[in-house]
Amino acid sequence: AQRVTQPEKLLSVFKGAPVELKCNYSYSGSPELFWYVQYSRQRLQLLLRHISRESIKGFTADLNKGETSFHLKKPFAQEEDSAMYYCALSGLGTDKLIFGTGTRLQVFP
Amino acid sequence: NAGVTQTPKFQVLKTGQSMTLQCAQDMNHNSMYWYRQDPGMGLRLIYYSASEGTTDKGEVPNGYNVSRLNKREFSLRLESAAPSQTSVYFCASSEVAAIFGPGTRLTVL
Repeated sequence: AQRVTQPEKLLSVFKGAPVELKCNYSYSGSPELFWYVQYSRQRLQLLLRHISRESIKGFTADLNKGETSFHLKKPFAQEEDSAMYYCALSGLGTDKLIFGTGTRLQVFP
Repeated sequence: NAGVTQTPKFQVLKTGQSMTLQCAQDMNHNSMYWYRQDPGMGLRLIYYSASEGTTDKGEVPNGYNVSRLNKREFSLRLESAAPSQTSVYFCASSEVAAIFGPGTRLTVL
């Protein structure tokens, strides 16, 4: 079964501190993993795909198949990073896109 | 290029009333999705459609029906609304990564 686990409901840091939002997944096949961000009262937007291996707004995420993890990292948090972050999984060859419960990131000045 | 549009933006229903949430995309995507977003629960998949004419149940399909009218449109129907269906509903479409609509905030009294 597909499952995405985000263990932290809330992560609070000060501006300039490093950030790591955890995501673990369960899937028996080859997964495709994503991070989405939702700013206050806005729609969800794609932040990262593991396949593209990009860095967006200073965020990176590496797929670790051994630990079944796809943690989102940023070395220096900014106040404008405050938002809800969702990890999502789709199996290659399927169209079912499943989300975790989300982590709220608060960055204090 | 409007992306994904949803109507209505807000709706208040009484228990037992019915309504249809409309979703349309202009990106020629094959896959479309309906999610509900509840505090602490993240996004839960209600139904999805891999292509025109096909629909599949997600994690929480009870109390809902869907129609993939054509490639552009994917509607969600509540036949007899219940207070437990109070939520924010998001439609999305994807070819590679999901693009989300602005959401419909539904309250069932």
